[in-house]
Amino acid sequence: AQSVTQPDIHITVSEGASLELRCNYSYGATPYLFWYVQSPGQGLQLLLKYFSGDTLVQGIKGFEAEFKRSQSSFNLRKPSVHWSDAAEYFCAVGPNNNAGNMLTFGGGTRLMVKP
Amino acid sequence: EAGVAQSPRYKIIEKRQSVAFWCNPISGHATLYWYQQILGQGPKLLIQFQNNGVVDDSQLPKDRFSAERLKGVDSTLKIQPAKLEDSAVYLCASAGLGTEAFFGQGTRLTVV
Repeated sequence: AQSVTQPDIHITVSEGASLELRCNYSYGATPYLFWYVQSPGQGLQLLLKYFSGDTLVQGIKGFEAEFKRSQSSFNLRKPSVHWSDAAEYFCAVGPNNNAGNMLTFGGGTRLMVKP
Repeated sequence: EAGVAQSPRYKIIEKRQSVAFWCNPISGHATLYWYQQILGQGPKLLIQFQNNGVVDDSQLPKDRFSAERLKGVDSTLKIQPAKLEDSAVYLCASAGLGTEAFFGQGTRLTVV
């Protein structure tokens, strides 16, 4: 069965500092990989996705993520965090036969940003 | 392009009552999902529709939950009767051919 682990439940960083959110997955083949962000009271917004090709993918709001097959990881990074980035971040995997297929989500990482 | 619409945004009911949620997906999206997100957890898939057919409902508690998408567009999710542990945000998402899932803002259900 597929699963996603986000080891860090909470992370606090200072504004302007760099950020890395960890995501590890368990899947029988190469999956489709996603990062979503959820602000309080809001739905999920897609930050970026990996389907195939270049393992370093760029997303919105200055985020990027790197797919490392050997480590079964898809960590999210941002070089300089803004106060508006405070939110909950979810990593998700889905089967690579259809981009819209059902997703399995991690438990989320709540990001807090110190001024 | 209009996003996924859900209503109501909030609902408070007593246990053993019934409740229904409505979702209108993005126009043209054949795939529709309902997810349950309990506070502090990631979303969990309840059911997936392809047009008006069910693709996967293996995680839907069928003794109390039901969902339909009669004309392959709008969908409703019903809980009858509700339990305290059903308190959660219910997210609807839709996807087109080859696209990722787009999520609505969700319905926050509180069962008291």
